[in-house]
Amino acid sequence: GNSVTQMEGPVTLSEEAFLTINCTYTATGYPSLFWYVQYPGEGLQLLLKATKADDKGSNKGFEATYRKETTSFHLEKGSVQVSDSAVYFCALSDRGRDDKIIFGKGTRLHILP
Amino acid sequence: NAGVTQTPKFQVLKTGQSMTLQCAQDMNHEYMSWYRQDPGMGLRLIHYSVGAGITDQGEVPNGYNVSRSTTEDFPLRLLSAAPSQTSVYFCASSQDRGAYEQYFGPGTRLTVT
Repeated sequence: GNSVTQMEGPVTLSEEAFLTINCTYTATGYPSLFWYVQYPGEGLQLLLKATKADDKGSNKGFEATYRKETTSFHLEKGSVQVSDSAVYFCALSDRGRDDKIIFGKGTRLHILP
Repeated sequence: NAGVTQTPKFQVLKTGQSMTLQCAQDMNHEYMSWYRQDPGMGLRLIHYSVGAGITDQGEVPNGYNVSRSTTEDFPLRLLSAAPSQTSVYFCASSQDRGAYEQYFGPGTRLTVT
């Protein structure tokens, strides 16, 4: 079946450091890929998405590229801020199957000032 | 435009009690869903609905009921609460399944003693 695997946290970085959160997926069809972010005490909100191979999603300085050859969708940011501290979820939705969205387990990110 | 609203924000139940978690959206979205979020488990789909009058089971439906009498509302009922149902519950809505952004409510933190 479809699945999403993302790196376990917590990830702790200093402000202005480079961020990578790894995400790989397994899907039998043609999935759309997402990154959602959850700030403390809130629900999830969409950060970025990509709907086909080689697409790059970007928002708020974050980027992720849909790599079909490596089945990956790694999240990157060049210079993190304290306000980026949150939990990040990689997710996929496979139009070739039942269209349900499947979430990874989340990666907690702590940014130190 | 309030988006997705959930009530209550916090709830404590005794084992065996029943209750309903409320969810409403004002975006005229057809697709609505309920998730539970547990530490280390990510988000797991409980039930979902593709439109008024239509509901279906997700990954972890046991112990929960839903109904969808209107486009706006999608309540989740706990029939006989158990400590294993202690969790944070999120309601979400989207224009459709698949590649569409899901909008999440702020969550309900439920404790069953």
